[in-house]
Amino acid sequence: QQQVKQSPQSLIVQKGGISIINCAYENTAFDYFPWYQQFPGKGPALLIAIRPDVSEKKEGRFTISFNKSAKQFSLHIMDSQPGDSATYFCAASRMGSGNTGKLIFGQGTTLQVKP
Amino acid sequence: DTGVSQDPRHKITKRGQNVTFRCDPISEHNRLYWYRQTLGQGPEFLTYFQNEAQLEKSRLLSDRFSAERPKGSFSTLEIQRTEQGDSAMYLCASSYHRDRSYEQYFGPGTRLTVT
Repeated sequence: QQQVKQSPQSLIVQKGGISIINCAYENTAFDYFPWYQQFPGKGPALLIAIRPDVSEKKEGRFTISFNKSAKQFSLHIMDSQPGDSATYFCAASRMGSGNTGKLIFGQGTTLQVKP
Repeated sequence: DTGVSQDPRHKITKRGQNVTFRCDPISEHNRLYWYRQTLGQGPEFLTYFQNEAQLEKSRLLSDRFSAERPKGSFSTLEIQRTEQGDSAMYLCASSYHRDRSYEQYFGPGTRLTVT
Protein backbone atom coordinates (compact mmCIF):
# COMPACT_ATOMS: atom_id res chain seq x y z
CA GLN A 1 0.00 0.00 0.00
CA GLN A 2 1.49 3.27 -1.15
CA GLN A 3 1.05 5.69 1.71
CA VAL A 4 2.69 8.80 0.23
CA LYS A 5 2.10 9.76 -3.39
CA GLN A 6 4.32 12.38 -5.00
CA SER A 7 3.92 14.29 -8.25
CA PRO A 8 5.13 15.17 -10.77
CA GLN A 9 7.75 12.51 -11.45
CA SER A 10 9.89 15.06 -13.27
CA LEU A 11 9.87 18.82 -13.60
CA ILE A 12 11.70 21.30 -15.80
CA VAL A 13 11.77 24.95 -14.73
CA GLN A 14 13.54 28.00 -16.07
CA LYS A 15 16.06 29.79 -13.87
CA GLY A 16 14.24 32.25 -11.64
CA GLY A 17 10.96 30.38 -11.88
CA ILE A 18 8.93 28.64 -9.18
CA SER A 19 9.18 24.87 -8.76
CA ILE A 20 6.17 23.16 -7.17
CA ILE A 21 6.10 19.54 -6.03
CA ASN A 22 3.06 17.95 -4.49
CA CYS A 23 2.49 15.07 -2.09
CA ALA A 24 -0.59 13.35 -0.75
CA TYR A 25 -0.77 10.98 2.18
CA GLU A 26 -3.31 8.47 3.41
CA ASN A 27 -2.59 7.86 7.07
CA THR A 28 -4.14 10.61 9.21
CA ALA A 29 -1.88 9.59 12.09
CA PHE A 30 1.14 11.06 10.30
CA ASP A 31 2.30 14.16 12.14
CA TYR A 32 5.68 15.08 10.68
CA PHE A 33 6.32 15.91 7.04
CA PRO A 34 9.89 16.58 5.85
CA TRP A 35 11.28 17.24 2.41
CA TYR A 36 14.66 15.89 1.35
CA GLN A 37 16.98 16.86 -1.51
CA GLN A 38 19.22 14.24 -3.06
CA PHE A 39 22.04 14.64 -5.56
CA PRO A 40 23.30 11.66 -7.59
CA GLY A 41 25.45 9.33 -5.52
CA LYS A 42 24.69 11.16 -2.27
CA GLY A 43 22.42 10.53 0.67
CA PRO A 44 19.21 12.56 1.10
CA ALA A 45 19.69 15.92 2.82
CA LEU A 46 16.93 17.43 4.95
CA LEU A 47 15.61 20.65 3.42
CA ILE A 48 12.61 21.69 5.47
CA ALA A 49 9.91 20.03 7.55
CA ILE A 50 6.46 20.85 8.91
CA ARG A 51 4.09 19.65 11.64
CA PRO A 52 0.31 19.66 11.03
CA ASP A 53 -0.34 22.44 13.54
CA VAL A 54 0.78 25.04 10.96
CA SER A 55 -0.33 25.54 7.36
CA GLU A 56 2.87 27.00 5.99
CA LYS A 57 6.56 27.12 6.79
CA LYS A 58 9.18 29.13 4.96
CA GLU A 59 12.95 28.83 5.06
CA GLY A 60 14.78 31.00 2.57
CA ARG A 61 13.60 30.13 -0.93
CA PHE A 62 11.84 26.96 0.25
CA THR A 63 8.23 26.92 1.47
CA ILE A 64 6.04 24.02 2.58
CA SER A 65 2.29 24.46 2.26
CA PHE A 66 0.19 22.01 4.27
CA ASN A 67 -3.52 21.19 3.88
CA LYS A 68 -4.57 18.87 6.67
CA SER A 69 -8.17 18.40 5.51
CA ALA A 70 -7.05 17.41 2.01
CA LYS A 71 -4.13 15.35 3.36
CA GLN A 72 -1.79 17.13 0.99
CA PHE A 73 1.40 19.12 1.27
CA SER A 74 3.66 20.77 -1.24
CA LEU A 75 7.14 22.20 -1.66
CA HIS A 76 7.62 25.52 -3.41
CA ILE A 77 11.09 26.56 -4.52
CA MET A 78 11.16 30.25 -5.32
CA ASP A 79 13.70 31.80 -7.70
CA SER A 80 14.83 28.34 -8.78
CA GLN A 81 18.54 28.05 -9.61
CA PRO A 82 20.51 25.51 -11.67
CA GLY A 83 22.11 24.36 -8.41
CA ASP A 84 18.65 23.26 -7.25
CA SER A 85 18.65 20.56 -9.94
CA ALA A 86 18.30 17.36 -7.92
CA THR A 87 15.76 14.75 -6.87
CA TYR A 88 13.32 15.82 -4.18
CA PHE A 89 11.49 13.46 -1.85
CA CYS A 90 8.59 14.16 0.44
CA ALA A 91 8.13 11.94 3.46
CA ALA A 92 5.76 11.40 6.34
CA SER A 93 6.14 9.97 9.79
CA ARG A 94 4.44 9.36 13.10
CA MET A 95 6.23 10.92 16.00
CA GLY A 96 5.54 11.00 19.69
CA SER A 97 5.76 8.45 22.43
CA GLY A 98 5.63 4.85 21.28
CA ASN A 99 6.36 5.59 17.64
CA THR A 100 9.64 4.86 15.88
CA GLY A 101 9.61 7.90 13.63
CA LYS A 102 10.38 5.84 10.52
CA LEU A 103 9.97 7.87 7.36
CA ILE A 104 7.62 6.84 4.56
CA PHE A 105 8.91 8.41 1.36
CA GLY A 106 7.23 9.45 -1.85
CA GLN A 107 8.58 8.25 -5.19
CA GLY A 108 10.64 11.36 -5.82
CA THR A 109 10.63 14.24 -8.30
CA THR A 110 13.57 14.96 -10.55
CA LEU A 111 13.93 18.70 -10.93
CA GLN A 112 15.92 20.31 -13.72
CA VAL A 113 16.43 24.05 -13.64
CA LYS A 114 17.49 25.41 -17.02
CA PRO A 115 19.84 28.40 -17.07
CA ASP B 1 33.09 15.96 9.95
CA THR B 2 30.32 15.33 12.48
CA GLY B 3 27.75 13.88 10.08
CA VAL B 4 26.60 10.29 9.63
CA SER B 5 29.30 8.16 8.04
CA GLN B 6 28.97 4.84 6.25
CA ASP B 7 31.54 2.31 5.18
CA PRO B 8 32.20 1.09 2.57
CA ARG B 9 30.79 3.53 0.05
CA HIS B 10 30.69 0.93 -2.66
CA LYS B 11 30.63 -2.87 -2.54
CA ILE B 12 30.63 -5.30 -5.42
CA THR B 13 30.05 -8.92 -4.51
CA LYS B 14 29.14 -12.16 -6.17
CA ARG B 15 25.81 -13.77 -5.62
CA GLY B 16 25.83 -15.99 -2.57
CA GLN B 17 28.51 -14.08 -0.69
CA ASN B 18 27.95 -12.34 2.64
CA VAL B 19 28.45 -8.61 3.04
CA THR B 20 28.52 -6.29 6.05
CA PHE B 21 28.03 -2.54 6.12
CA ARG B 22 28.84 -0.14 8.93
CA CYS B 23 27.12 3.07 10.00
CA ASP B 24 28.47 5.62 12.47
CA PRO B 25 25.68 7.97 13.55
CA ILE B 26 26.03 11.54 14.70
CA SER B 27 27.45 11.56 18.20
CA GLU B 28 24.79 11.35 20.94
CA HIS B 29 22.03 10.45 18.47
CA ASN B 30 20.09 7.68 20.18
CA ARG B 31 17.93 6.71 17.21
CA LEU B 32 19.33 4.92 14.18
CA TYR B 33 17.53 3.82 11.03
CA TRP B 34 18.46 1.72 8.01
CA TYR B 35 16.77 2.30 4.66
CA ARG B 36 17.18 0.77 1.22
CA GLN B 37 16.90 2.77 -1.99
CA THR B 38 16.67 1.30 -5.46
CA LEU B 39 17.23 3.31 -8.61
CA GLY B 40 14.51 5.85 -9.24
CA GLN B 41 12.67 5.15 -5.99
CA GLY B 42 12.43 6.74 -2.58
CA PRO B 43 14.18 5.15 0.38
CA GLU B 44 12.31 2.30 2.07
CA PHE B 45 12.52 1.65 5.79
CA LEU B 46 14.35 -1.52 6.87
CA THR B 47 14.93 -1.35 10.61
CA TYR B 48 15.12 0.96 13.63
CA PHE B 49 17.25 1.05 16.76
CA GLN B 50 16.71 3.09 19.87
CA ASN B 51 20.04 3.00 21.66
CA GLU B 52 21.07 -0.68 21.38
CA ALA B 53 17.57 -2.11 21.10
CA GLN B 54 16.21 -3.08 17.68
CA LEU B 55 12.58 -2.04 18.03
CA GLU B 56 11.17 -2.43 14.53
CA LYS B 57 11.95 -4.47 11.44
CA SER B 58 10.28 -4.10 8.07
CA ARG B 59 8.87 -7.06 6.18
CA LEU B 60 11.50 -6.16 3.58
CA LEU B 61 14.10 -7.43 6.04
CA SER B 62 14.20 -11.12 5.21
CA ASP B 63 15.95 -13.65 7.44
CA ARG B 64 19.09 -13.16 5.32
CA PHE B 65 19.40 -9.67 6.78
CA SER B 66 20.58 -8.92 10.29
CA ALA B 67 21.40 -5.66 11.98
CA GLU B 68 23.07 -4.82 15.25
CA ARG B 69 23.90 -1.76 17.26
CA PRO B 70 26.16 -2.86 20.10
CA LYS B 71 26.40 -0.41 22.99
CA GLY B 72 24.11 1.99 21.17
CA SER B 73 26.88 3.48 19.08
CA PHE B 74 27.72 2.32 15.53
CA SER B 75 25.52 -0.14 13.70
CA THR B 76 26.16 -2.95 11.23
CA LEU B 77 23.89 -4.42 8.59
CA GLU B 78 24.78 -7.88 7.30
CA ILE B 79 23.31 -9.57 4.27
CA GLN B 80 23.92 -13.29 3.99
CA ARG B 81 23.78 -15.27 0.73
CA THR B 82 23.36 -12.13 -1.35
CA GLU B 83 20.99 -12.16 -4.32
CA GLN B 84 20.91 -9.90 -7.36
CA GLY B 85 17.74 -8.34 -5.99
CA ASP B 86 19.74 -7.04 -3.04
CA SER B 87 21.54 -4.59 -5.33
CA ALA B 88 20.62 -1.15 -4.00
CA MET B 89 21.84 1.83 -2.01
CA TYR B 90 21.75 1.13 1.72
CA LEU B 91 21.25 4.30 3.73
CA CYS B 92 21.70 4.93 7.41
CA ALA B 93 20.09 7.83 9.26
CA SER B 94 20.23 9.01 12.84
CA SER B 95 18.24 11.37 15.01
CA TYR B 96 17.95 12.58 18.58
CA HIS B 97 14.44 13.35 19.67
CA ARG B 98 14.30 16.36 21.92
CA ASP B 99 11.78 19.13 22.27
CA ARG B 100 9.94 19.06 18.94
CA SER B 101 13.00 18.19 16.87
CA TYR B 102 12.60 15.02 14.83
CA GLU B 103 15.10 15.54 12.05
CA GLN B 104 16.72 12.47 10.58
CA TYR B 105 20.15 12.97 9.06
CA PHE B 106 21.30 10.56 6.40
CA GLY B 107 24.73 9.23 5.61
CA PRO B 108 26.15 9.02 2.08
CA GLY B 109 25.01 5.43 1.68
CA THR B 110 26.65 2.16 0.66
CA ARG B 111 26.05 1.19 -2.96
CA LEU B 112 25.81 -2.62 -3.20
CA THR B 113 26.11 -4.39 -6.55
CA VAL B 114 25.53 -8.14 -6.62
CA THR B 115 26.84 -9.83 -9.78
